[in-house]
Amino acid sequence: EVQLLESGGGLVQPGGSLRLSCAASGFTFSSYAMSWVRQAPGKGLEWVSAISGSGGSTYYADSVKGRFTISRDNSKNTLYLQMNSLRAEDTAVYYCAKAGEATVTPTNWYFDLWGRGTLVTVSS
Amino acid sequence: SYELTQPPSVSVSPGQTARITCSGDALPKQYAYWYQQKPGQAPVLVIYKDSERPSGIPERFSGSSSGTTVTLTISGVQAEDEADYYCQSADSSGPVVFGGGTKLTVL
Repeated sequence: EVQLLESGGGLVQPGGSLRLSCAASGFTFSSYAMSWVRQAPGKGLEWVSAISGSGGSTYYADSVKGRFTISRDNSKNTLYLQMNSLRAEDTAVYYCAKAGEATVTPTNWYFDLWGRGTLVTVSS
Repeated sequence: SYELTQPPSVSVSPGQTARITCSGDALPKQYAYWYQQKPGQAPVLVIYKDSERPSGIPERFSGSSSGTTVTLTISGVQAEDEADYYCQSADSSGPVVFGGGTKLTVL
């Protein structure tokens, strides 16, 4: 079955760290760019970060640049998001998403498969 | 930073046609994509590359583009179409940008 399953969310204090994981199955993971998208409670979708299929190129939203690091282990079919220096405004459901096509430039990315999301709450 | 502008809400009666717009300066040069999100669920892709429909998406969903505005059209709206809809595109400032979302209410 083609699916994405996120894990690693939870409650963390401001300034703390958390690592999210996304386990992929049912497709050739290494062929596709992957992304993290978040949604604060009651708010819209916000793109966070993306990584090419090989892992050689990474991209970040300005709001997380320098604090978050995206990575992937193609041997384990797993995507990661290391989140440091967390702030209250990082509180959100974090979704991982698969790019819709294997060989497109970043400006042509769209997402045809999403996980169910994992909730990150930053609060003291 | 680049912005995509959507109306906050659209309301239609069952069986009517709903049109949700998304405006952005780079849309004449970049494709647009549309997602449907129901409460408590992950987004689902309903339109890609302005007007292509993924397999499994009903034919009543269609997309079009004209200048700096793209439009998601839902013909013969059904109660199950009530959801939030987000457009997505890109420009030189970043590979992925989402619109603010439009809540579709089926009266």
